[in-house]
Amino acid sequence: DAGVIQSPRHEVTEMGQEVTLRCKPISGHNSLFWYRQTMMRGLELLIYFNNNVPIDDSGMPEDRFSAKMPNASFSTLKIQPSEPRDSAVYFCASSPRTGALYEQYFGPGTRLTVT
Amino acid sequence: AQSVTQPDIHITVSEGASLELRCNYSYGATPYLFWYVQSPGQGLQLLLKYFSGDTLVQGIKGFEAEFKRSQSSFNLRKPSVHWSDAAEYFCAVAPASGGSYIPTFGRGTSLIVHP
Repeated sequence: DAGVIQSPRHEVTEMGQEVTLRCKPISGHNSLFWYRQTMMRGLELLIYFNNNVPIDDSGMPEDRFSAKMPNASFSTLKIQPSEPRDSAVYFCASSPRTGALYEQYFGPGTRLTVT
Repeated sequence: AQSVTQPDIHITVSEGASLELRCNYSYGATPYLFWYVQSPGQGLQLLLKYFSGDTLVQGIKGFEAEFKRSQSSFNLRKPSVHWSDAAEYFCAVAPASGGSYIPTFGRGTSLIVHP
């Protein structure tokens, strides 16, 4: 079975540009998470969705960040405009059961570099 | 709020040697506890979890962890390390009740295995 799919795997962009990261969760999973990983701050939860509805976006760093989940099989994380401090690895994860959100299946991540 | 401390940033062991990775948590009650592993270029994978009952839990890949309430610890162990165990290991904690069970992750411990 395919796991969580993220694209692109690597993204290099210039400061001020819009960046869109994409995620396809595992089929049948009803919760989806976006994380950011940096050396300085470790792994941070940005936002999570349940049944395509955003439940908690308190981890989204600022208004430049937005996330959508238009259907059960696709989500995007957008940064506009991007800044060098946004450079990080962004992970998407999905979970099969609402009552067991610790059981998460992670994608391979998107390494974002903003110059 | 719950928090997790992994005191060792890096651990180096020889192949075949035993391993113990330390994890301490801070929480008002006994939480759910987890260990995840992140192989190079990959997302996190759940190794094992503790909810209640037997304080020694077995996980995948030959790993085990022991919950010690008196020390607020949940250390990960393996009796004989293989070169393929080289990875980043994350301890995580989630509330055992009244919450979403979304884990809070520690900063991680990087395991280096010498031949």
